[in-house]
Amino acid sequence: DIQLTQSPSSLSAFLGDRVSITCRASEDISIFLAWFQQRPGKAPQSLIYDASSLQSGVPSRFSGGGSGTNFTLTINNMQPEDFATYHCQQYNSYPLTFGGGTRVEIK
Amino acid sequence: QMQLQESGPGLVKPSETLSLTCTVSGGSISSRNDFWAWIRQPPGKGLEWIASISSIGRTTYRPSLKNRLTISLDTSKNQISLKLSFTAAADTAVYYCVRGHYETTGYYPLGHFDPWGQGTLVTVSS
Repeated sequence: DIQLTQSPSSLSAFLGDRVSITCRASEDISIFLAWFQQRPGKAPQSLIYDASSLQSGVPSRFSGGGSGTNFTLTINNMQPEDFATYHCQQYNSYPLTFGGGTRVEIK
Repeated sequence: QMQLQESGPGLVKPSETLSLTCTVSGGSISSRNDFWAWIRQPPGKGLEWIASISSIGRTTYRPSLKNRLTISLDTSKNQISLKLSFTAAADTAVYYCVRGHYETTGYYPLGHFDPWGQGTLVTVSS
């Protein structure tokens, strides 16, 4: 199975900050990586797919990048609704796997 | 806009079978380029993909759970079902129904997920 390691596991940020989260794959997954946002008690919501494609309806302050084994989710100008847990997911090979999550808290 | 709604018992006794249904509205489960999946999340833990089914009924299971899982489609009701037999406390989780997209990889079941149902908590306990 492909292992996805997210870092950091948690972070604190101020409103208006720029935040970056990293997802590292245990082997080459090309661009087949997605990012999800999960607010407490809610279902995950898709943000990014194919490493850098923004899901319809997602604000442009979210962006994704990377390929191969190293990927980044960047959030510009943190808003109150952005404080949540973020998950990455690979779909390059079976079984599909997720990272352990990054919790973003308000400072 | 497509919506997915999970339903099923919130409490299951150990060794019994967990049965869940996902009802899809705003779209057809027979759509050619989509597939359907169940993902679970134990309390306070990460996400775990467990099963997928293509629009024509081709199934794929998490290897460690394969012998206990059945996923199926009911096209007349636009529903996806999941059964997990011989349950144990470790199966306690929120279970999510999701739509999968594989147009970029070109291969089922290698896809990303959107949208997600709201999830249903299933507790395995006597």
